[in-house]
Amino acid sequence: GDSVTQMEGPVTLSEEAFLTINCTYTATGYPSLFWYVQYPGEGLQLLLKATKADDKGSNKGFEATYRKETTSFHLEKGSVQVSDSAVYFCALPRGSNYKLTFGKGTLLTVNP
Amino acid sequence: NAGVTQTPKFQVLKTGQSMTLQCAQDMNHNSMYWYRQDPGMGLRLIYYSASEGTTDKGEVPNGYNVSRLNKREFSLRLESAAPSQTSVYFCASSEAGTYGYTFGSGTRLTVV
Repeated sequence: GDSVTQMEGPVTLSEEAFLTINCTYTATGYPSLFWYVQYPGEGLQLLLKATKADDKGSNKGFEATYRKETTSFHLEKGSVQVSDSAVYFCALPRGSNYKLTFGKGTLLTVNP
Repeated sequence: NAGVTQTPKFQVLKTGQSMTLQCAQDMNHNSMYWYRQDPGMGLRLIYYSASEGTTDKGEVPNGYNVSRLNKREFSLRLESAAPSQTSVYFCASSEAGTYGYTFGSGTRLTVV
């Protein structure tokens, strides 16, 4: 079935470092792809999305490009801040009724 | 504040006890979901309700039941709790035909 695979964490960076969190997917066709973020003690929230191949989603300085050739949707940010410390989840649609399947999550810690 | 409200935030149960996790949303969303989050497993869908009056099983429904009481409320019941059900439970909702989920802040359940 359709699935996503994220890079194992945790990822620890210094403030202003460049961030990449890898996500690859297995799916039939070209589904929409999503990144969700979970800040400490909170529920998940949608960070960005791409609805078709070659689209780039962006929000809060984060970007991800939907690359069908490599079946990837890697999350990037040029300069991370301490406030970006969170768990990041890649997700794609699962079956009907707009269900989502999530990756296992990648914990990011940014140190001052 | 608009959003998804879950109660309780924390709960400790003894094996064999029952309880109901409550979820309510005030965004007039049609679809609601229950996920569990476990270390190294990401989020897994337990049950969902595509619209008022309908419920369906997700990936891991065994040991759980749900009730879509009305459009706002979607409860999750554990009839006979087991230690394997120790987890963080998240409720989410979305508008019909979208993947932009709004999550509650979660219920941390421990079964001893």
